[in-house]
Amino acid sequence: GDSVTQMEGPVTLSEEAFLTINCTYTATGYPSLFWYVQYPGEGLQLLLKATKADDKGSNKGFEATYRKETTSFHLEKGSVQVSDSAVYFCALTPLGGFQKLVFGTGTRLLVSP
Amino acid sequence: DGGITQSPKYLFRKEGQNVTLSCEQNLNHDAMYWYRQDPGQGLRLIYYSQIVNDFQKGDIAEGYSVSREKKESFPLTVTSAQKNPTAFYLCASSMYQETQYFGPGTRLLVL
Repeated sequence: GDSVTQMEGPVTLSEEAFLTINCTYTATGYPSLFWYVQYPGEGLQLLLKATKADDKGSNKGFEATYRKETTSFHLEKGSVQVSDSAVYFCALTPLGGFQKLVFGTGTRLLVSP
Repeated sequence: DGGITQSPKYLFRKEGQNVTLSCEQNLNHDAMYWYRQDPGQGLRLIYYSQIVNDFQKGDIAEGYSVSREKKESFPLTVTSAQKNPTAFYLCASSMYQETQYFGPGTRLLVL
């Protein structure tokens, strides 16, 4: 079945450091790919998405590129802030039909001043 | 403002008791979903509904029930058959084949 694998956390960085959170997936066909962010005690917020190969999703300085050849969707940010501290979830939905989200286990990011 | 509301924010359940979690959306979305989140894990789908008066089981439906009598509402009942109900419950909604948007969640605790 479809699955998403994320790097384990926590990822601990100093402010202004470069961020990469790895995400790879297994799916039949061509899924849509998402990054969601969860701040403490809150629901999930959509961060960015990509719906086809080579698409780049971007938002709030975060970027991720849909790489079909490596089945990856790694999240990057050039300079993190303390306010970026949260849990980040990579997810996919299969192409067409009902949009069931399949989530990775989440990666906690801790940014210190 | 359009959005998804969930209530209550915290809910306490006694042994043998059924409890109902509320989810309302004013986004005019067709589909609604319930997910369960356990510490250190991703979200798992409990139930989903694509249209009014129709719903389908997700991956972990045992011990839960839902109804969809109105487009904007999708309540989840955690029954006494759910032996490990302590978790964070998230409701989401979407247009057909579009991105899912999430509510703020309800944390269920067992007394």
